[in-house]
Amino acid sequence: NAGVMQNPRHLVRRRGQEARLRCSPMKGHSHVYWYRQLPEEGLKFMVYLQKENIIDESGMPKERFSAEFPKEGPSILRIQQVVRGDSAAYFCASSPVGIAGGQHEQFFGPGTRLTVL
Amino acid sequence: GENVEQHPSTLSVQEGDSAVIKCTYSDSASNYFPWYKQELGKGPQLIIDIRSNVGEKKDQRIAVTLNKTAKHFSLHITETQPEDSAVYFCAAASSGSARQLTFGSGTQLTVLP
Repeated sequence: NAGVMQNPRHLVRRRGQEARLRCSPMKGHSHVYWYRQLPEEGLKFMVYLQKENIIDESGMPKERFSAEFPKEGPSILRIQQVVRGDSAAYFCASSPVGIAGGQHEQFFGPGTRLTVL
Repeated sequence: GENVEQHPSTLSVQEGDSAVIKCTYSDSASNYFPWYKQELGKGPQLIIDIRSNVGEKKDQRIAVTLNKTAKHFSLHITETQPEDSAVYFCAAASSGSARQLTFGSGTQLTVLP
């Protein structure tokens, strides 16, 4: 059973360009989460999505960042007009559908390391 | 919102000794507490978790304890091996629609051969 897939693994962008990060959840999982990790720090929650729905985006910066999880295909985290402060590792996690209200394990992908020059 | 504090930030132990990492949380509504191991250049790997309806859980050399009254939980690794060297993160979450994990700042564990 394949784990959470993320691509690209490494992404280099110049300031002002756009970055698109992709995440394919584990088979059978319909909940996707994005986290950001700055060097030497823990992971910070960004957004929680289900198919075609953003459930919680309380951790997303108000500008330049957006996320989607379409009916078909991977979840996409999009960063427009990147700045040097966006350089970080971005991790996607997925969890299965379960009993309403229950917290289920989140399994992480290998991450995308974004470098903004 | 939830705040998770983790100590120590670095921990060195001799191979075969035990290692203990401690975390405290602030939100009494939190009821799920996973621990992740992160090796250099890789994503976090879930190693054990505990829910608020139990006080202790064990899986081979790894155990986690939870004190809901004091709002703290700990990871215990016994008979440490060099391959246990990694960064360990604790996290907390509450049930309901807000499923986000709030992470501690991490502990760099080094097991000396």
